[in-house]
Amino acid sequence: AQSVTQLDSQVPVFEEAPVELRCNYSSSVSVYLFWYVQYPNQGLQLLLKYLSGSTLVESINGFEAEFNKSQTSFHLRKPSVHISDTAEYFCAVSKSGGSNYKLTFGKGTLLTVNP
Amino acid sequence: DAGITQSPRHKVTETGTPVTLRCHQTENHRYMYWYRQDPGHGLRLIHYSYGVKDTDKGEVSDGYSVSRSKTEDFLLTLESATSSQTSVYFCAISEFERNTEAFFGQGTRLTVV
Repeated sequence: AQSVTQLDSQVPVFEEAPVELRCNYSSSVSVYLFWYVQYPNQGLQLLLKYLSGSTLVESINGFEAEFNKSQTSFHLRKPSVHISDTAEYFCAVSKSGGSNYKLTFGKGTLLTVNP
Repeated sequence: DAGITQSPRHKVTETGTPVTLRCHQTENHRYMYWYRQDPGHGLRLIHYSYGVKDTDKGEVSDGYSVSRSKTEDFLLTLESATSSQTSVYFCAISEFERNTEAFFGQGTRLTVV
């Protein structure tokens, strides 16, 4: 079985401050990892993903996440946030390789960027 | 945007009635998923499909059934709707063997009164 724990349900920060949203996963096999973002009253959009290769992955809007296998973590970071980054962020995990992929999400972290 | 259409987008129904939600894709992806989203619970997997007529249960499958008779359509049925099934339902598709992420529909807001 696989599971995801997002350690913070809400993270308030001021504009231009750095932020880290924490994600830990549990799986008995190798994994794919994802961060999705959901803006108010919208569906989910992929922010970034780790499938293989470099453990540091980046998004086009300045977010990055690092896959740490020993700590089973995939924390999301941004050095300077904007008001427009206010949204809910979801970490997700799927096993890698084989077949029958089940995609499991964490409970989400609401990032609120204040002026 | 990935070609995923959920219907209906909004529905109000009475307790005890059957309800079917439809997810239609034009991407020919193998995997399709149904999630429900509730405050404080994130997205919880109801059922998923890994091929035509191949489905499996997720973590909150009680009270729900699914069918996938063709690649493009994945139906979620609430056999007898209850107020606890009031939620926003999201469909997703993926093709993990080709190293793609999951793409989501816009959601269906279901209210059971």
